[in-house]
Amino acid sequence: KAGVTQTPRYLIKTRGQQVTLSCSPISGHRSVSWYQQTPGQGLQFLFEYFSETQRNKGNFPGRFSGRQFSNSRSEMNVSTLELGDSALYLCASSLEALNEQFFGPGTRLTVL
Amino acid sequence: QKEVEQDPGPLSVPEGAIVSLNCTYSNSAFQYFMWYRQYSRKGPELLMYTYSSGNKEDGRFTAQVDKSSKYISLFIRDSQPSDSATYLCAMSFLNTGGFKTIFGAGTRLFVKA
Repeated sequence: KAGVTQTPRYLIKTRGQQVTLSCSPISGHRSVSWYQQTPGQGLQFLFEYFSETQRNKGNFPGRFSGRQFSNSRSEMNVSTLELGDSALYLCASSLEALNEQFFGPGTRLTVL
Repeated sequence: QKEVEQDPGPLSVPEGAIVSLNCTYSNSAFQYFMWYRQYSRKGPELLMYTYSSGNKEDGRFTAQVDKSSKYISLFIRDSQPSDSATYLCAMSFLNTGGFKTIFGAGTRLFVKA
């Protein structure tokens, strides 16, 4: 069974731009969560989608948004990029609950 | 105070040593406890998952949960250089919007050959 895939793997943007990241969950998994990982803050929860609905949200500004499609694939968008948005963005999928999550390799975003 | 505390290390041990990794937590609502391993430039990989106090063993790995002390541990026996990675503890509980999961900061482990 294929794992969680994320595209692109690496991205370089400049301040003020926006970016869209994509995540394809494991087949059959309907829950997709997004995390931001930085050396200083560790793994921070952004939001979780289940059956195309946002079910949980972390404490990030409205510049961070997401959506989920009917095939469970998910996208995350960050608008008006700031230097502090440079991070590894991880997507995780699970069958129903969040307690057993399977992570993708992440998208490394660098904001210049 | 963070909900989950984990010493970031780094922790350096010789090959063959027993490694002990620990996390403490403050929220007694946590019901599920996980350990993830993350290699450089990779996503975290689920190693152990448990929901009850006591020990759970899987090969060289043992996860220990003490709910009364709000303390979890991961033991690695006969550590190998390939175990060098960052180990993240994670804990979750069920709330109205589904499960809420909090991760520790991660402990960097180096196993020297």
